Amino acid sequence: GDSVTQMEGPVTLSEEAFLTINCTYTATGYPSLFWYVQYPGEGLQLLLKATKADDKGSNKGFEATYRKETTSFHLEKGSVQVSDSAVYFCALSDPGGSYIPTFGRGTSLIVHP
Amino acid sequence: DAGITQSPRHKVTETGTPVTLRCHQTENHRYMYWYRQDPGHGLRLIHYSYGVKDTDKGEVSDGYSVSRSKTEDFLLTLESATSSQTSVYFCAISESSGVRSYNEQFFGPGTRLTVL
Repeated sequence: GDSVTQMEGPVTLSEEAFLTINCTYTATGYPSLFWYVQYPGEGLQLLLKATKADDKGSNKGFEATYRKETTSFHLEKGSVQVSDSAVYFCALSDPGGSYIPTFGRGTSLIVHP
Repeated sequence: DAGITQSPRHKVTETGTPVTLRCHQTENHRYMYWYRQDPGHGLRLIHYSYGVKDTDKGEVSDGYSVSRSKTEDFLLTLESATSSQTSVYFCAISESSGVRSYNEQFFGPGTRLTVL
């Protein structure tokens, strides 16, 4: 079945550092890929998405590229801010399968001033 | 922001009592989901619905039941609450975009449930 693996956290960075959160996936079809962000005390919200190979999703300075050859969708940001401290979830939706998305376990990001 | 509300937002109850959590949406989305979130486990799907009166079990459905009598409302019931059901519960909605279903989900703000 489908699965998503993302790096365990917490990831701790200083403000303005470069961020990478790794995400790899296994899917039977050609999935759409997502990154969600959860700020403290809130629900998840979509950060970015990519629907086919080589697509790049971007939002709020975050980027992720759909790499079919490596089955990866790593999240990057060039300069993090304290306000980026949150939990980040990688997820996939397989249109050839069910309408139930598959989530990774989440990676906590802590950014210090 | 997608119109999803959850009620109550916080609840403390005692073991053995029934509890019902409500999810209400104003987006007319077809699919609705209940998740629980616990440290070290990420999000786990409890039940989901693919239409009015159409529901199915997720990976952690034991001890939970759901009902959907209207498109906008999805109820989660703990028939007899146990301490292991202490968690944060999230409702989500999504809409298929046709042949290629992207299944982007929109989440509610969550309900924090404590079972003593």
